[in-house]
Amino acid sequence: ETGVTQSPTHLIKTRGQQVTLRCSSQSGHNTVSWYQQALGQGPQFIFQYYREEENGRGNFPPRFSGLQFPNYSSELNVNALELDDSALYLCASSLGFSPSYEQYFGPGTRLTVT
Amino acid sequence: KNEVEQSPQNLTAQEGEFITINCSYSVGISALHWLQQHPGGGIVSLFMLSSGKKKHGRLIATINIQEKHSSLHITASHPRDSAVYICAVASLKAAGNKLTFGGGTRVLVKP
Repeated sequence: ETGVTQSPTHLIKTRGQQVTLRCSSQSGHNTVSWYQQALGQGPQFIFQYYREEENGRGNFPPRFSGLQFPNYSSELNVNALELDDSALYLCASSLGFSPSYEQYFGPGTRLTVT
Repeated sequence: KNEVEQSPQNLTAQEGEFITINCSYSVGISALHWLQQHPGGGIVSLFMLSSGKKKHGRLIATINIQEKHSSLHITASHPRDSAVYICAVASLKAAGNKLTFGGGTRVLVKP
């Protein structure tokens, strides 16, 4: 059983560009959550997907968007990148969206916006 | 005020010492998580609690729902325990199993 994987590991973008980050859920997990972690801070919830539908969103602008595919892998898209978008982006998958389900985190994608 | 507060922010211990990290939260919760994050960034789940106490190896986590407080204890600390420890809660008001995180406690265990 493979764990949660994310790609790419690191990337550098320029302000105003667009970026797509990818997450492969742990086998059998139908729920994925995305978090943004700025340097020295705890992660902040961006949004969650359950069975290809958005199931909750944090306080992030619409230029942060996502997708979940039939195989439950997921993408996070960020348009019109700003310097403050520089952060570690984490995804976490779980068997369902009930709080009783443990979340399994990927290794993260470190995004630097210059 | 953040919904989840951790203390201390930083902690340095000598190998073998007993370490306690505290987490206080201000919302009703369905579960509380203790997570470990190493310098590379990856997060590992240590415990998920909704009541009482859990133990795994040298780690013990307790929660007091009435007082909205949880503690993570590390007994006989070792340099490999050096990491950031993060408390996160699943709020009763939140959609799904969205987690709200504390700011983390950076632990350094010196040999």
